[in-house]
Amino acid sequence: RKEVEQDPGPFNVPEGATVAFNCTYSNSASQSFFWYRQDCRKEPKLLMSVYSSGNEDGRFTAQLNRASQYISLLIRDSKLSDSATYLCVVNGVIQFYFGTGTSLTVIP
Amino acid sequence: NAGVTQTPKFRVLKTGQSMTLLCAQDMNHEYMYWYRQDPGMGLRLIHYSVGEGTTAKGEVPDGYNVSRLKKQNFLLGLESAAPSQTSVYFCASSYTARTGGYEQYFGPGTRLTVT
Repeated sequence: RKEVEQDPGPFNVPEGATVAFNCTYSNSASQSFFWYRQDCRKEPKLLMSVYSSGNEDGRFTAQLNRASQYISLLIRDSKLSDSATYLCVVNGVIQFYFGTGTSLTVIP
Repeated sequence: NAGVTQTPKFRVLKTGQSMTLLCAQDMNHEYMYWYRQDPGMGLRLIHYSVGEGTTAKGEVPDGYNVSRLKKQNFLLGLESAAPSQTSVYFCASSYTARTGGYEQYFGPGTRLTVT
């Protein structure tokens, strides 16, 4: 079983739409959680950390459900510039485990 | 600060040739990592290091060796390249985190093709 599983998509949404990505992880002892963004042929970059209480950064909201071992990312009012692959990342203590990513294309 | 840098950016090797990829970070991070990324597979950990002079195997270490002689540098070696090692290689670093909580910073990647 993979450590982190994501729906690969692709998600094709119109500008202004709200889109949600989900991710599940297998190790209940996982310590910290992140969403990274990866543009085509570029390195992954941190989008936001995910806290148990949930957190928001502008149009982006991340949620963590430890009981269900489930992480989500909500993007409101999608922009063309949001088109990218979104990676769910889970950290134990040393190693990080990456989902295969969810592809998002925002259409004009 | 340059962050995490990788050299070279691109390389084409013939089967059986060897090469070394260099990763350097100027953030004084303890932990450094080498990943490979293949279509549909996500990022897979090759080797990692928790400090100068220490290395450990990750998920896919076969065919690779690493060294961390200086805290700021992490080298990935391919002794005898194979076509299956065609991939994009990313180096990353992070702060020491006994309880997690610190994100990784990535280099721009090295695109390696083995013919």
